[in-house]
Parts: sequence; C-alpha cells; structure tokens
Amino acid sequence: NAGVTQTPKFRILKIGQSMTLQCTQDMNHNYMYWYRQDPGMGLKLIYYSVGAGITDKGEVPNGYNVSRSTTEDFPLRLELAAPSQTSVYFCASSTPSGGFLNEQFFGPGTRLTVL
Amino acid sequence: KQEVTQIPAALSVPEGENLVLNCSFTDSAIYNLQWFRQDPGKGLTSLLLIQSSQREQTSGRLNASLDKSSGRSTLYIAASQPGDSATYLCAVRNAGNNRKLIWGLGTSLAVNP
Repeated sequence: NAGVTQTPKFRILKIGQSMTLQCTQDMNHNYMYWYRQDPGMGLKLIYYSVGAGITDKGEVPNGYNVSRSTTEDFPLRLELAAPSQTSVYFCASSTPSGGFLNEQFFGPGTRLTVL
Repeated sequence: KQEVTQIPAALSVPEGENLVLNCSFTDSAIYNLQWFRQDPGKGLTSLLLIQSSQREQTSGRLNASLDKSSGRSTLYIAASQPGDSATYLCAVRNAGNNRKLIWGLGTSLAVNP
C-alpha cells in the first residue's frame, strides 16, 4: 500500500489564484481529513469526511472547499488564494471508531506559499 | 472544550539519556490518545496509540502511558539516539465526538551526539 499520497509537494500561488490540493489513500479508509500547520499554532482541522459524499467543516474552513466523490480521493480547493493561506497542508485518513483502533495516517504534506 | 498541552515545548539531551515527554488533556472522557513524530519538513508518523481502556503501549524503545483520571500521558524514550531528534505531538480523540483529533503543539526534541 502507498498509504496517503498528496500532490503537489510544493506550490507558489499569486493572490487571487485558485488551486486544488490532491489527496488519495489506498487503505479503504472511510474517514479523511485536511489539516493546516502553521508555526507555533499546531495542526488545525480544515474539513473532514466520514465517507463518500459526506463532508463537514472543521475549525478553520473559510476560504476552502472539499468534495468526496470516491472513498479514495479527498481534494481540497482554494478558490481565491490569500497570503493567510500560506501554510503546510496535511491530508490524513483513518478507519471509523469501533471496528479498529481508529489510528490516523498522514500524507507527506503540501507546502503552499501565497505571494 | 478539550485542550491538549505538551510540556516542555523544547528539550535538548545528550545521546544515551532516557527521557520523558508529557502530554496533558483537560477532559478525561477520551476515546484514545495517539503519539506522533514529525521530522522537519515532513509529514507525521504515528508512533503509538493508546485506547482509553489501556494503561500503556510499547514499541521498541518507546513506551507511552495513559492516566485518564489525571488527564495525562507520557512518552518515554529509552537510550535516546540522534535519530530520535524530531517534534513529538500528542493528539486526543474525544469519546463524545470521536471523529476528530485535538492536538497539542508538540515537544521539539534534540538528541546531541
């Protein structure tokens, strides 16, 4: 298994541009998550999904959109990039609670700079 | 509201020392607690996961303990090595809403040769 994969690894955007961060997992996990990590701020949950067709907001959803058309893919969309969205973005996945340990697995991250 | 705190924020030790990293949480009604390692510029690697019914978990030189009633977990690293240098994060999954993790800010560990 490749686990959780993310593309791209690095990206520089201009203010107002749009982009999609891709995330794919091959572990057949139901739950998927998007986090951003800023220095000294810890990880903040942007959006999460408990299964295909179901998404929900996390702590910091403004400026982002997600979709979950398949179990494997959970793309994160930035419509109008702003400097405040400069961050490292991590995608993660886990199984639902009850059946397994609910351990969370992370992708390698996407480093985004908005200038 | 669940809050997770990690102390110390940074730690520097000589190679070979045994060390303890601390994680505390304010609401004892948790589903599980997970310790992660993050290397600079890289993603997070899961180290140990402790269910709420467990007291400790071990993996190699790592031992994580959980005391739910006092809201504490410790990560014990035996015979530290320079390769252990990284940031260690703990995260709690609440029992009531166990879809999300609540994160600490991490302890940055430097093991000096």
